[in-house]
Amino acid sequence: QKEVEQDPGPLSVPEGAIVSLNCTYSNSAFQYFMWYRQYSRKGPELLMYTYSSGNKEDGRFTAQVDKSSKYISLFIRDSQPSDSATYLCAMSDRGSTLGRLYFGRGTQLTVWP
Amino acid sequence: GAVVSQHPSWVICKSGTSVKIECRSLDFQATTMFWYRQFPKQSLMLMATSNEGSKATYEQGVEKDKFLINHASLTLSTLTVTSAHPEDSSFYICSASVTGTNEKLFFGSGTQLSVL
Repeated sequence: QKEVEQDPGPLSVPEGAIVSLNCTYSNSAFQYFMWYRQYSRKGPELLMYTYSSGNKEDGRFTAQVDKSSKYISLFIRDSQPSDSATYLCAMSDRGSTLGRLYFGRGTQLTVWP
Repeated sequence: GAVVSQHPSWVICKSGTSVKIECRSLDFQATTMFWYRQFPKQSLMLMATSNEGSKATYEQGVEKDKFLINHASLTLSTLTVTSAHPEDSSFYICSASVTGTNEKLFFGSGTQLSVL
């Protein structure tokens, strides 16, 4: 079993739709959770960084963490064609120090006009 | 703006040659940098942790004699793929932290290596 599972999609939605992206994990030591956006042939860009369980909102993006279920989500409201990219979840047992990140394989999202 | 610069963006080489990829931290010092490899539609796989002034720490299954890492200064780490073969063709990405924590970890733009 992989440490982080993420459905690769692809996911295709119309402009304006609400997008839900999810990851599950097996390691209960993970406390820090991240979502990255990656455009084709580019490095990942950090979107959201959360610690422990709960919600965090930033503009059109909302990250949710449910540690009891080992399940994290990223919601994108009012999706735009510019949101078309691959979204990677990542997690770690470290936040205040530097340590290894464990990545999902990414979900490819297309938002069509 | 970009805080981690990676060069080159893409490189094509013949089998058996060596390729060097540079990763620079811009306007901050990074005692630790990470090198990842990503195959198409796959996750980022950590190859090694590069430490300034000391030997890199390689992940299990990564050949240290094939993937040479040099972190000679606080702003530059290099990855050299020696005697490259077609199976080494992949997307290589480095990362570094502005604050020395996972919260401010930034990635380079990546290098697409194609070995003919």
